[in-house]
Amino acid sequence: SQQGEEDPQALSIQEGENATMNCSYKTSINNLQWYRQNSGRGLVHLILIRSNEREKHSGRLRVTLDTSKKSSSLLITASRAADTASYFCATVHTGTASKLTFGTGTRLQVTL
Amino acid sequence: DAGITQSPRHKVTETGTPVTLRCHQTENHRYMYWYRQDPGHGLRLIHYSYGVKDTDKGEVSDGYSVSRSKTEDFLLTLESATSSQTSVYFCAISERDNGYTFGSGTRLTVV
Repeated sequence: SQQGEEDPQALSIQEGENATMNCSYKTSINNLQWYRQNSGRGLVHLILIRSNEREKHSGRLRVTLDTSKKSSSLLITASRAADTASYFCATVHTGTASKLTFGTGTRLQVTL
Repeated sequence: DAGITQSPRHKVTETGTPVTLRCHQTENHRYMYWYRQDPGHGLRLIHYSYGVKDTDKGEVSDGYSVSRSKTEDFLLTLESATSSQTSVYFCAISERDNGYTFGSGTRLTVV
């Protein structure tokens, strides 16, 4: 399986703190994406980083990609209670068209 | 999500019966996907489509078939439902090398 792994599986922080989630994958990729899923809802696309990029920002989100280590991290700065959700990394592997392979996710809890 | 709808949202069915889930998009995207989500497994690809009448298998395709006769509709059929197919099913759409847009999901229970 090409499925990636997220670390940690669960993370609990207080509002205002930063949250960092990590993702590792096994084979070469075209791009890596991060998604958020609120309980009982569909997934929402957050950010896409291509294999030739090392860092990308979107609002309070910062994503890094290290293709030599086959890993990525998602940083959420100044977290809010509304950031409470599960976060998934997903990869498009080389030679697989546009098919996304998802990791098992990190469950983030932000408390007041 | 805007532009993609799944039906039904919830369904309870008996073992051995056929079940069809529908995904409808208004975005005219080329690619459509069916995933299932189960605890401990994340999302796993069942089938996908890269155009009308062009479909292919994903990671967990056994027991499922799909059809895409129009750009906007992608149907997932469980030929003879089993308890192991109890899951939440998500449809998604995309254009190549862009992020996916997901539907709200169908919660299927096979009893």
